[in-house]
Amino acid sequence: GENVEQHPSTLSVQEGDSAVIKCTYSDSASNYFPWYKQELGKRPQLIIDIRSNVGEKKDQRIAVTLNKTAKHFSLHITETQPEDSAVYFCAGAWEYGNKLVFGAGTILRVKS
Amino acid sequence: DARVTQTPRHKVTEMGQEVTMRCQPILGHNTVFWYRQTMMQGLELLAYFRNRAPLDDSGMPKDRFSAEMPDATLATLKIQPSEPRDSAVYFCASGEPGQFFGPGTRLTVL
Repeated sequence: GENVEQHPSTLSVQEGDSAVIKCTYSDSASNYFPWYKQELGKRPQLIIDIRSNVGEKKDQRIAVTLNKTAKHFSLHITETQPEDSAVYFCAGAWEYGNKLVFGAGTILRVKS
Repeated sequence: DARVTQTPRHKVTEMGQEVTMRCQPILGHNTVFWYRQTMMQGLELLAYFRNRAPLDDSGMPKDRFSAEMPDATLATLKIQPSEPRDSAVYFCASGEPGQFFGPGTRLTVL
């Protein structure tokens, strides 16, 4: 079955700097990769996703890149702000509607 | 702005008691998921349904947990009997391929 590994487990950056979180997956058939942000005590929220027919997707300060050959994908946050502090989860899935396999999460702290 | 809703938001109970958690998925979403989140285990998938039919409940302790979808607007997760190790936040999510999470039920079993 699919396995998703996420690194780093914690990440501290200075406000205004960029943050990068990386995930690798095992099942080459996976074709859908979402990212979730979870603030303390809140629900995980879908912030961006990418499908395997796309190499990069951007939405304002966040972007996701996918390398199918290497089976890894990354979340990039530019110009980080204190409100970006949260736990970020990556996930992978094969086929529409199939179950997501989540990474273990990355605690991002943005220091002001 | 359509959202997944869950009740109750908090539940404190004593070991051995039955606990029922309810979820209303986003209207039109045919796939519904139940997750458990603890500090140690992250997000664990317990069960999921498509068009109300259970597809996978391999993540659920079968002897005490059960999940159902009585109709398209209601999913339930039941624990009987509850144990202290069941203390966690239980999330329901709906949608495919991107899943939208409810606010969760924080369960404490004393």
